[in-house]
Amino acid sequence: GIQVEQSPPDLILQEGANSTLRCNFSDSVNNLQWFHQNPWGQLINLFYIPSGTKQNGRLSATTVATERYSLLYISSSQTTDSGVYFCAVGGSYIPTFGRGTSLIVHP
Amino acid sequence: NAGVTQTPKFQVLKTGQSMTLQCAQDMNHNSMYWYRQDPGMGLRLIYYSASEGTTDKGEVPNGYNVSRLNKREFSLRLESAAPSQTSVYFCASSEAKGFNYGYTFGSGTRLTVV
Repeated sequence: GIQVEQSPPDLILQEGANSTLRCNFSDSVNNLQWFHQNPWGQLINLFYIPSGTKQNGRLSATTVATERYSLLYISSSQTTDSGVYFCAVGGSYIPTFGRGTSLIVHP
Repeated sequence: NAGVTQTPKFQVLKTGQSMTLQCAQDMNHNSMYWYRQDPGMGLRLIYYSASEGTTDKGEVPNGYNVSRLNKREFSLRLESAAPSQTSVYFCASSEAKGFNYGYTFGSGTRLTVV
């Protein structure tokens, strides 16, 4: 099956800093999504981005499908950005999730 | 509020007991999913229902059964709980079948099997 690797596994930032999270995958995929799991466990879909670039406020994502990676950018981080960020890839019904990047933003 | 509702939020079972996790969505979504999340891991798909009346196995279906009761409701049943099923369970829904639509997740059920 598809292998999904996320880096870094852990990230600690001061409020206001920028960061880049990376998701590498081992095979061609038709679909890729980024999710945020907050410290209370709630999962929120951030982006559906099989290719190209999308932006939503301080967050943006870029997927280069031909090179099998996706990047999630967080600018001017806030404490509410803390949590775990997952990417998930898949061609059909059964996506493969990465193990996530755990982000802590200190005030 | 519109979304996906899971019950219960917490449950402790003894080995061998059975229980059903309930999930309902009010967004008129066609597809629904059950995932489990274990410490340090991403989510793994247990079962999914592409549309009302259909269900299919995901990555880790052993020990579970599901029922798509109607378009709104998708339940997950553990017939004989085992400690290996201790996990956090998430239900999700999407507008249409396939992973090319954004998921909406419920808030999760934390299950402990002792």
